[in-house]
Amino acid sequence: AQKVTQAQTEISVVEKEDVTLDCVYETRDTTYYLFWYKQPPSGELVFLIRRNSFDEQNEISGRYSWNFQKSTSSFNFTITASQVVDSAVYFCALFEAAGNKLTFGGGTRVLVKP
Amino acid sequence: DVKVTQSSRYLVKRTGEKVFLECVQDMDHENMFWYRQDPGLGLRLIYFSYDVKMKEKGDIPEGYSVSREKKERFSLILESASTNQTSMYLCASSGTVYEQYFGPGTRLTVT
Repeated sequence: AQKVTQAQTEISVVEKEDVTLDCVYETRDTTYYLFWYKQPPSGELVFLIRRNSFDEQNEISGRYSWNFQKSTSSFNFTITASQVVDSAVYFCALFEAAGNKLTFGGGTRVLVKP
Repeated sequence: DVKVTQSSRYLVKRTGEKVFLECVQDMDHENMFWYRQDPGLGLRLIYFSYDVKMKEKGDIPEGYSVSREKKERFSLILESASTNQTSMYLCASSGTVYEQYFGPGTRLTVT
């Protein structure tokens, strides 16, 4: 079974629409970290956020917000009022202290049309 | 700013060739990683190294080897390239294992 599942492979929206990317993870560790990365067409992964397993507070950074729910093992990411520059592939990732490595989801391609 | 550079953005090689992908980081990080990225599969860890001359297999090491002779440089080697190794290869480095900084990637095509 996949440890990190991003069920949406591609999402297409029109500029100014909100878009939510789903991420569901699986772990037996009590200590772990969750991440979101953005990969624009240039190819380089850009770090967006890190969350540890003991901090379930939601976070907002500008137009980006994250909803971490341990009860459903989900760490969803919302882009509010999307812009063309948000077009990219977004990856959710899990770091488990026991495994000592990052495991990535399959990625969600977001296409924002003007 | 951390800088991770990869020797080529695009590379085309023939089946059976020996291929070297180079990665250099400038932040004195102990840990370095090689991933391959394929559509729908995300990034999968090939090898990582937590010190000079040390290496550990990741999830998909078959067909690859690595070399870390200097702290700043981590090389991925395809001993005999095959078409199923056509992919995007990403290098990363980190001071802590989880806070990884990525290079721009090398898109390798094996014909």
